[in-house]
Amino acid sequence: NAGVTQTPKFQVLKTGQSMTLQCAQDMNHNSMYWYRQDPGMGLRLIYYSASEGTTDKGEVPNGYNVSRLNKREFSLRLESAAPSQTSVYFCASRLDRDQPQHFGDGTRLSIL
Amino acid sequence: GNSVTQMEGPVTLSEEAFLTINCTYTATGYPSLFWYVQYPGEGLQLLLKATKADDKGSNKGFEATYRKETTSFHLEKGSVQVSDSAVYFCALFSGGYNKLIFGAGTRLAVHP
Repeated sequence: NAGVTQTPKFQVLKTGQSMTLQCAQDMNHNSMYWYRQDPGMGLRLIYYSASEGTTDKGEVPNGYNVSRLNKREFSLRLESAAPSQTSVYFCASRLDRDQPQHFGDGTRLSIL
Repeated sequence: GNSVTQMEGPVTLSEEAFLTINCTYTATGYPSLFWYVQYPGEGLQLLLKATKADDKGSNKGFEATYRKETTSFHLEKGSVQVSDSAVYFCALFSGGYNKLIFGAGTRLAVHP
């Protein structure tokens, strides 16, 4: 009953380092999403993938790249981390348009 | 564009008090509306949803009614418990954009 699994749960990086956050879902969902959560700002969409093989920018895509590796996996990459990217990152997936999103437990990322 | 506005928190209540968290939205068409809850250190979980006007979503003693005339989806619970302490997010899904739009979240603290 795994649902949406994110790895790692915590990470500390130095400015300029690169990092890939992993996300996998075992619910055969079509759409997957990456959000960041910052105090007082709710969740902001970074990128999403409506289906395998497609990706689209969300509200705050700058400084990030994504890969929809297959139907199960959707990774988020920071090529050159900046302190402004310190946040909690959530991956989510959804079966279809009218279905709710299911969230992972998050990755807490600190960039020094 | 589409947006969601929630009342600012934190909301602090005594156990067994009545809870209302206000949520209003701006959207074209007929969005689906959701309330998500986030417990400390966890991801977001769907609490309830409503997909059309006058629908009432309910779960775990929480209720919210989709009011198109006032573009609102206020969350209510008749008697809160300490275990309800969490952050609550109102969200809308507009099919044209294929993604959820979240409010900023409202922190609820319930003390014995």
